[in-house]
Amino acid sequence: DTEVTQTPKHLVMGMTNKKSLKCEQHMGHRAMYWYKQKAKKPPELMFVYSYEKLSINESVPSRFSPECPNSSLLNLHLHALQPEDSALYLCASSQEGTGTGYTFGSGTRLTVV
Amino acid sequence: AQSVTQLGSHVSVSEGALVLLRCNYSSSVPPYLFWYVQYPNQGLQLLLKYTSAATLVKGINGFEAEFKKSETSFHLTKPSAHMSDAAEYFCAVSDRGSSNTGKLIFGQGTTLQVKP
Repeated sequence: DTEVTQTPKHLVMGMTNKKSLKCEQHMGHRAMYWYKQKAKKPPELMFVYSYEKLSINESVPSRFSPECPNSSLLNLHLHALQPEDSALYLCASSQEGTGTGYTFGSGTRLTVV
Repeated sequence: AQSVTQLGSHVSVSEGALVLLRCNYSSSVPPYLFWYVQYPNQGLQLLLKYTSAATLVKGINGFEAEFKKSETSFHLTKPSAHMSDAAEYFCAVSDRGSSNTGKLIFGQGTTLQVKP
């Protein structure tokens, strides 16, 4: 299994809603990442989990809350988002430190209304 | 600090023509370098990577890239463009420090248009 699976593929939520994005990989990768990508822009790193511990938080607003329940799963909990948070949210995983590059999921297209 | 610069936000070629997408990096240590492709509404797919083995790296879909330390470049090429190559291409660099978490720094991207 060489995939990163993200659900849902599309999500529309109101500014008062609470929702979660899910990411799963079964490649034995011990580093997992959340990226945010706006249209026509490169991905921007949000969070890095290394061995199920949060190792990097790129000053992301607290309305985004990551969680790594186990080595295969990564969640991103969303609460009280703003319309400018609408974007493609990408999950990725890698073998930390080996330079193998990331494997990306296909993303969740989030629209905040 | 590491960075990558992709020269040309938009490149247009005819089908069958040479594809050349430019990437220059800035790094204080020997870097890992990557090229990713992104089709509309999809995630990023790894095309190829440089990790200090051969300087000429062959990837998927007929793409290759050459690491030139003297020029701090890692340009992506393909001898003959196909319509299916139309996509967004990102060059990325990763550090090799002892605290490396594999953090990738992306360039701004280059949109490749292939004309029939």
